[in-house]
Amino acid sequence: SQKIEQNSEALNIQEGKTATLTCNYTNYSPAYLQWYRQDPGRGPVFLLLIRENEKEKRKERLKVTFDTTLKQSLFHITASQPADSATYLCALGLGGGYQKVTFGIGTKLQVIP
Amino acid sequence: SQTIHQWPATLVQPVGSPLSLECTVEGTSNPNLYWYRQAAGRGLQLLFYSVGIGQISSEVPQNLSASRPQDRQFILSSKKLLLSDSGFYLCAWNAGDREKLFFGSGTQLSVL
Repeated sequence: SQKIEQNSEALNIQEGKTATLTCNYTNYSPAYLQWYRQDPGRGPVFLLLIRENEKEKRKERLKVTFDTTLKQSLFHITASQPADSATYLCALGLGGGYQKVTFGIGTKLQVIP
Repeated sequence: SQTIHQWPATLVQPVGSPLSLECTVEGTSNPNLYWYRQAAGRGLQLLFYSVGIGQISSEVPQNLSASRPQDRQFILSSKKLLLSDSGFYLCAWNAGDREKLFFGSGTQLSVL
């Protein structure tokens, strides 16, 4: 069966360090992968998208890698700040007209001052 | 700019009562519209999507239904709520040719 795995346990990291979150998937051939941020009681907010033919994408302090051989994406936040504390969701997109996207359970990141 | 409105923010309903959640999008036309549910400890589950007025596709069989009476309006309904319908309901949209999803602020539904 198809599965998206994110570390459902919270990740605690010291302020200023680099946070690395993992998204693994099985039995998917995604056309793209997205990362979203979700704060408690709020809807997810889009952060980055990376396509199957791309290895790495950057946006300010964020970096995403996509390895279709390992079936894994890594999401990095450099120089982490307490304001980065949130749950981060990865989502796989299969492409197509209405853009069916399947979400992982998310990883809760806590940046400690 | 585009905005998405979803209400109410919280709702407590007894088992067997009806449900109506509304979502509207502004600043765009002919968006794809989605209803997701997020249960505690589980990922976002796609319930319904719509690519146009009156066009509704259901992803999972359930006690809920959706309607799209206008281009930028999406409604989630139930005739009789079950305890298992409790959860965080999110409306989302994207442009037809774009992958990025924009989410509403969500409705926390508690069925008691």
